[in-house]
Amino acid sequence: GQNIDQPTEMTATEGAIVQINCTYQTSGFNGLFWYQQHAGEAPTFLSYNVLDGLEEKGRFSSFLSRSKGYSYLLLKELQMKDSASYLCAVMDSNYQLIWGAGTKLIIKP
Amino acid sequence: IAGITQAPTSQILAAGRRMTLRCTQDMRHNAMYWYRQDLGLGLRLIHYSNTAGTTGKGEVPDGYSVSRANTDDFPLTLASAVPSQTSVYFCASKGREDTGELFFGEGSRLTVL
Repeated sequence: GQNIDQPTEMTATEGAIVQINCTYQTSGFNGLFWYQQHAGEAPTFLSYNVLDGLEEKGRFSSFLSRSKGYSYLLLKELQMKDSASYLCAVMDSNYQLIWGAGTKLIIKP
Repeated sequence: IAGITQAPTSQILAAGRRMTLRCTQDMRHNAMYWYRQDLGLGLRLIHYSNTAGTTGKGEVPDGYSVSRANTDDFPLTLASAVPSQTSVYFCASKGREDTGELFFGEGSRLTVL
C-alpha cells in the first residue's frame, strides 16, 4: 500500500531552526510536495522536490532522498506566524497526490 | 480575485438530507478535486476530474457524487447525508497534469447530525 509518515506534532522556539521529516512508500514517484496549513484555513503550496538534494526558498528549505524515501522541511529563524500544520505529499505514478496526516508545529516565544 | 470559491463555508445538516457543495474556479484549470480532511488523517481524495466531461473516483467515493459540465464548476453532492460525513471539504484545482501544485478553496465545514 501507499504510505506517508510524518510526526504528529513538534514544538520549537521563536528564532530557532526546526526540521520536519517525512518518509514515504508509494507506487511510483513524480515529486514530493510540502504544503502549509494554518488552523481553519486551506493548504498553500510551499515547495517541490523531484530530484535528490536541497531546494532553498528564503527561510524554508526542502530536502529529498529518493533512494531512502525520505524528505525533510527545514524552517529557519522561526517566527510566530510559522505556527501551522505542514503537510507532506507525494505524487504517484498516476499523478495523484498521496498525503501525510500533517505535522502540527507549535512555536513558543 | 482569481482562485477557487466554495459555498457554503459552513453548514449543519440533518442526517438523510441531500446536500450539494459548490466549487467554482476562474483559472481555467483542467483538473479539479474534492478532498475531505478529518482530524488525525491526511487529505483524502473523494472524486476528481481531469477535464470537463470526465470524472473519477478517489480513495473515499462512497456516498458522494460529482459532475463536471464545464471547466469552471465541480459540485459535490451528498445524496443522503450520514454523521460520518461530518468533515471539512476542500475543493482544489491544478493547471498541469504533471504538477503537484494545487490551488485550494477555503473549505466547507459540514456537520451532519
